Amino acid sequence: GAGVSQTPSNKVTEKGKYVELRCDPISGHTALYWYRQSLGQGPEFLIYFQGTGAADDSGLPNDRFFAVRPEGSVSTLKIQRTERGDSAVYLCASSPQRGGLETQYFGPGTRLLVL
Amino acid sequence: AQSVSQHNHHVILSEAASLELGCNYSYGGTVNLFWYVQYPGQHLQLLLKYFSGDPLVKGIKGFEAEFIKSKFSFNLRKPSVQWSDTAEYFCAVNAPNNNDMRFGAGTRLTVKP
Repeated sequence: GAGVSQTPSNKVTEKGKYVELRCDPISGHTALYWYRQSLGQGPEFLIYFQGTGAADDSGLPNDRFFAVRPEGSVSTLKIQRTERGDSAVYLCASSPQRGGLETQYFGPGTRLLVL
Repeated sequence: AQSVSQHNHHVILSEAASLELGCNYSYGGTVNLFWYVQYPGQHLQLLLKYFSGDPLVKGIKGFEAEFIKSKFSFNLRKPSVQWSDTAEYFCAVNAPNNNDMRFGAGTRLTVKP
């Protein structure tokens, strides 16, 4: 079946602009995660959704970052007033139920470059 | 909070050589442990995981990992690597019922044919 998909695959923007990154999880997966992976680093947890609600947003670096999942399926990560330091690959993952014991299935990521 | 250390940044091996990639974590309680692999141009995928029970875990493609609680380690091994194992390998840990999965920085493995 279809895996996790993310769009766009690449995004180039200018400092100060607003961007939206989209994630389509595997159908039926209730848990959804966003990670950020900087060059030479492993993925860094940002936020976790269980259904429509953000159950854990402790990884969001500051209030410029926000994510929604209004219908419990597709999620959008929103970054306001982008900065050059936001440049990274943003990964989305989903799992059948709540995290911890469940395997997370990752998407291909969105590569964001802030000029 | 838990953290993960992967000691080898880049490992280069010839085909048929044995592989061991180190992973140590810092967390005082019960943990779930994972190894993920990212082949060139592909997304992260699960190689193997440990939740409980037998500390020697077997995964896909002949990989295995051993959880040594006293050493806070979860090293990845393969007796004989192949060129197709060239990839980046990430160790990860979380606490049960904890959504915050922590990844190591990754180890890039290059296997020479």
